[in-house]
Amino acid sequence: KQEVTQIPAALSVPEGENLVLNCSFTDSAIYNLQWFRQDPGKGLTSLLLIQSSQREQTSGRLNASLDKSSGRSTLYIAASQPGDSATYLCAVRGLTGANNLFFGTGTRLTVIP
Amino acid sequence: GAVVSQHPSWVICKSGTSVKIECRSLDFQATTMFWYRQFPKQSLMLMATSNEGSKATYEQGVEKDKFLINHASLTLSTLTVTSAHPEDSSFYICSASGQLETQYFGPGTRLLVL
Repeated sequence: KQEVTQIPAALSVPEGENLVLNCSFTDSAIYNLQWFRQDPGKGLTSLLLIQSSQREQTSGRLNASLDKSSGRSTLYIAASQPGDSATYLCAVRGLTGANNLFFGTGTRLTVIP
Repeated sequence: GAVVSQHPSWVICKSGTSVKIECRSLDFQATTMFWYRQFPKQSLMLMATSNEGSKATYEQGVEKDKFLINHASLTLSTLTVTSAHPEDSSFYICSASGQLETQYFGPGTRLLVL
């Protein structure tokens, strides 16, 4: 069964710093990988989706990369802002079975003003 | 983008009662809906997958008689927690996907069982 791990579990950085969040998955046979943001007590907001054939996706200050063969993805946040404070989740979709997602444990990010 | 709503956003109930949570796709037809559960400081765990008009498929360890799922239309799925107990207290999130298979997530429902 697919297992998704995120490191670190929590991260605090001063405002303006660039940062990298890591996601690893055990089964490289994936359909796509997605990064989400979750604010406390709220649902999920999709940030970036990378298809298995892609290497990276960019949206504003966010850049996500995918190395399927090594089972890794990174989310790069440039020039962090206090509004970026949230929990970031990565999720992978497998090639077979239903369209269900396997979620990582999340990284709780705090950007200090 | 596609919008998914959940109702209620939070609910408090007494142990032994049943609670129904609704998940609606507001601007698209959801052929498949997913129900997730999230305990504090943990990630989302898939509970079940439901396709419109058919029985839900439950993940291992999820009691189908306790968590009743109905997906009667292309815009509505309901999750009923029957005979709720304090250990059922959690954050329940649904997602919906249509023809493009992208999942759109609802805002979640926080359940507290006293």
